[in-house]
Amino acid sequence: AQKVTQAQTEISVVEKEDVTLDCVYETRDTTYYLFWYKQPPSGELVFLIRRNSFDEQNEISGRYSWNFQKSTSSFNFTITASQVVDSAVYFCALSENAGNMLTFGGGTRLMVKP
Amino acid sequence: DTAVSQTPKYLVTQMGNDKSIKCEQNLGHDTMYWYKQDSKKFLKIMFSYNNKELIINETVPNRFSPKSPDKAHLNLHINSLELGDSAVYFCASSPYGGDKNTEAFFGQGTRLTVV
Repeated sequence: AQKVTQAQTEISVVEKEDVTLDCVYETRDTTYYLFWYKQPPSGELVFLIRRNSFDEQNEISGRYSWNFQKSTSSFNFTITASQVVDSAVYFCALSENAGNMLTFGGGTRLMVKP
Repeated sequence: DTAVSQTPKYLVTQMGNDKSIKCEQNLGHDTMYWYKQDSKKFLKIMFSYNNKELIINETVPNRFSPKSPDKAHLNLHINSLELGDSAVYFCASSPYGGDKNTEAFFGQGTRLTVV
């Protein structure tokens, strides 16, 4: 059975600080997919990134970057120069091939203060 | 055009009532889902349907009955509502499996409050 752990339940930073959100996963499959979603205060779930298990390249998108390490089963998310608008709950999720259902971590609430 | 739309957005109802939440996707996806987010923000899969057929049912009480009249719709009917059913319910859709595994697209959520 798959499992996703986000050990940080809440993080508070001051604007312009860098922050890393941790995600550790467990799966028996060799083929799987990892995701990050953002849930702002308005409540919708916003897709940020998808990564498959065969692609360990790190990815950067603007102020966002992701570090995927199979050796430690981690898929961490870093926000550089955080902004107040980054305040949200961030979810890491895992999907195996069958059915594409997502197993979510417990979420990390990020608060960015001005 | 909204990709995944669910209605209503808010639903307040009394214990014991029966209610439905509707979901429609216009993305041409094969698979649709219902997820439940509790008051602590935990998100958990409830059901998954592929081409109108149930493929995942994650130990949800049988008071919850999903219905898929066609692959673009997946409605959630809840009988005899209980206080513990209060949560935000998200509908989602995605292509099915293998190379088509992409991100799931989520609806806006329905906040159900049982009083």
